Amino acid sequence: QKEVEQNSGPLSVPEGAIASLNCTYSDRGSQSFFWYRQYSGKSPELIMSIYSNGDKEDGRFTAQLNKASQYVSLLIRDSQPSDSATYLCAVNDRGSTLGRLYFGRGTQLTVWP
Amino acid sequence: DVKVTQSSRYLVKRTGEKVFLECVQDMDHENMFWYRQDPGLGLRLIYFSYDVKMKEKGDIPEGYSVSREKKERFSLILESASTNQTSMYLCASLRAQVNEQFFGPGTRLTVL
Repeated sequence: QKEVEQNSGPLSVPEGAIASLNCTYSDRGSQSFFWYRQYSGKSPELIMSIYSNGDKEDGRFTAQLNKASQYVSLLIRDSQPSDSATYLCAVNDRGSTLGRLYFGRGTQLTVWP
Repeated sequence: DVKVTQSSRYLVKRTGEKVFLECVQDMDHENMFWYRQDPGLGLRLIYFSYDVKMKEKGDIPEGYSVSREKKERFSLILESASTNQTSMYLCASLRAQVNEQFFGPGTRLTVL
């Protein structure tokens, strides 16, 4: 069983601040990394994918990947109350030909006005 | 945009009933997945499938089976529902070129 660990939170930040979400994974051969956002009572929504070391920016979101340290993070700049959700980190299973992902248990983020 | 639909948002069944949860995707994706999500336990994979040719057990297949007679439709079957199968059930479809999974809206199943 591959492990994906996230800081459990909850994480609480004021509006306008930077929220930092972290994830470590156990499978050194993983190649694909994802961040999902899940609002309460809703299904997970893919917000970021990253495949190579370094940073990837999309609007207010930046994903950072360090394969040597087996670490992936998500930064949310200028956090808004609408960013309040649970964020799931997911990592591909290198040994699966069927596209299996392993998910962390999520970090709950609250952005207060 | 990828569209994944699930047959019901909410479902209430009785213990011992046979339950069918249906999932349909419109992007001609080969790979589809069924998960359940419970508080504190995260997402757990029940079954996954490659086209109609292959089905594979995930981490918690006991008490479940699946059917995939057409590529676009993947069904999860609870052979004899039990109260411990009360959960949120999520279906996902895979865009294989980039390994991205897209989820349906989920079915919240309550077994009484």
